[in-house]
Amino acid sequence: RKEVEQDPGPFNVPEGATVAFNCTYSNSASQSFFWYRQDCRKEPKLLMSVYSSGNEDGRFTAQLNRASQYISLLIRDSKLSDSATYLCVVTGGATNKLIFGTGTLLAVQP
Amino acid sequence: GAVVSQHPSRVICKSGTSVKIECRSLDFQATTMFWYRQFPKQSLMLMATSNEGSKATYEQGVEKDKFLINHASLTLSTLTVTSAHPEDSSFYICSVDSYGTYEQYFGPGTRLTVT
Repeated sequence: RKEVEQDPGPFNVPEGATVAFNCTYSNSASQSFFWYRQDCRKEPKLLMSVYSSGNEDGRFTAQLNRASQYISLLIRDSKLSDSATYLCVVTGGATNKLIFGTGTLLAVQP
Repeated sequence: GAVVSQHPSRVICKSGTSVKIECRSLDFQATTMFWYRQFPKQSLMLMATSNEGSKATYEQGVEKDKFLINHASLTLSTLTVTSAHPEDSSFYICSVDSYGTYEQYFGPGTRLTVT
């Protein structure tokens, strides 16, 4: 079983749509959780950290369910510029090592 | 977040040669830097943790004698791919972490092609 699992997609959605990505992780000792965005042939960029209480940044909302070891990302009012691969990332137990999912590809269509 | 640079951005070399990649933390002193590798359509895989003034910590399956890491200052870590082979062709990315948060900030990456 992979340490971090994501639906690879692609998710093809029209502009303005709401889209949700899910992620599960296997290590119950993981302490920190993130969503990164990676454009084609570029480096990952931090989108947001994910907290147990949930957090929102503009059109983006992240949720964490530690009991189910499940993380989600909701994007509202999708823009063409949101097209990218979204990476679910967790720390490897009580360490600062990051474990990356393979990513979910989002394509927002005009 | 931290600003990280890498050089070169792209390199093509012949099989058997060595390639050095530089990673610089531009706006803060990084005692720890990380080196990742990403093959096409795969996730980033941590290769090693680079520690300033001491030996790097390599992940299981990564040959330390092939991937030499030197973290000689708080702003510079280098990765040298020795005796490169075509299977070493990949996207190599470094990162620094933000103290206390575990957030990591990545350099723009180096695309290595070994012919």
